[in-house]
Amino acid sequence: GIQVEQSPPDLILQEGANSTLRCNFSDSVNNLQWFHQNPWGQLINLFYIPSGTKQNGRLSATTVATERYSLLYISSSQTTDSGVYFCAVGVAGNQFYFGTGTSLTVIP
Amino acid sequence: NAGVTQTPKFQVLKTGQSMTLQCAQDMNHEYMSWYRQDPGMGLRLIHYSVGAGITDQGEVPNGYNVSRSTTEDFPLRLLSAAPSQTSVYFCASSYRGQRYEQYFGPGTRLTVT
Repeated sequence: GIQVEQSPPDLILQEGANSTLRCNFSDSVNNLQWFHQNPWGQLINLFYIPSGTKQNGRLSATTVATERYSLLYISSSQTTDSGVYFCAVGVAGNQFYFGTGTSLTVIP
Repeated sequence: NAGVTQTPKFQVLKTGQSMTLQCAQDMNHEYMSWYRQDPGMGLRLIHYSVGAGITDQGEVPNGYNVSRSTTEDFPLRLLSAAPSQTSVYFCASSYRGQRYEQYFGPGTRLTVT
């Protein structure tokens, strides 16, 4: 199956700092989503972004499908941003492959 | 609109016992999937369905059965639980008209002793 690599695996930020999370994938994909898994385990949709750039408040994402990577930007981080961020890529219908995530801790 | 619901939230089984994890969605999504999440790992696809009566295997199907008799429900069955099936199980649904954007349930934490 397709390989999905996320970096960095762990990240500790001071509140207010900015960060960039990266997702590389090994083959062409039809779909790409970013999720935030909060400390209670809930998976929250952040972006559906198979290509291009989207912004939602302090978060934005860019996918360059031809170069097989996606970036998630978090600006002015808050403690509520803590958790694990997953990238998931879809190759057919609803078959998605997940990366191993970036664990983010934001300290006040 | 409840979205994707899963029951139970927590379950402890003994090795060899069977059980069914329930998943339901009220968004009329044709696609539904089951994933498992192990510590320090991303989610891995177990089985998926593209509509009522149609199911297929994902990355890690062994030890699990599924069926899809209605659009709303997609139960996951463990016929003979093993400690290796201790995990958190997530159900997801998606819709072709929304380009397969996936929506996840809250998860079921299963421990097999």
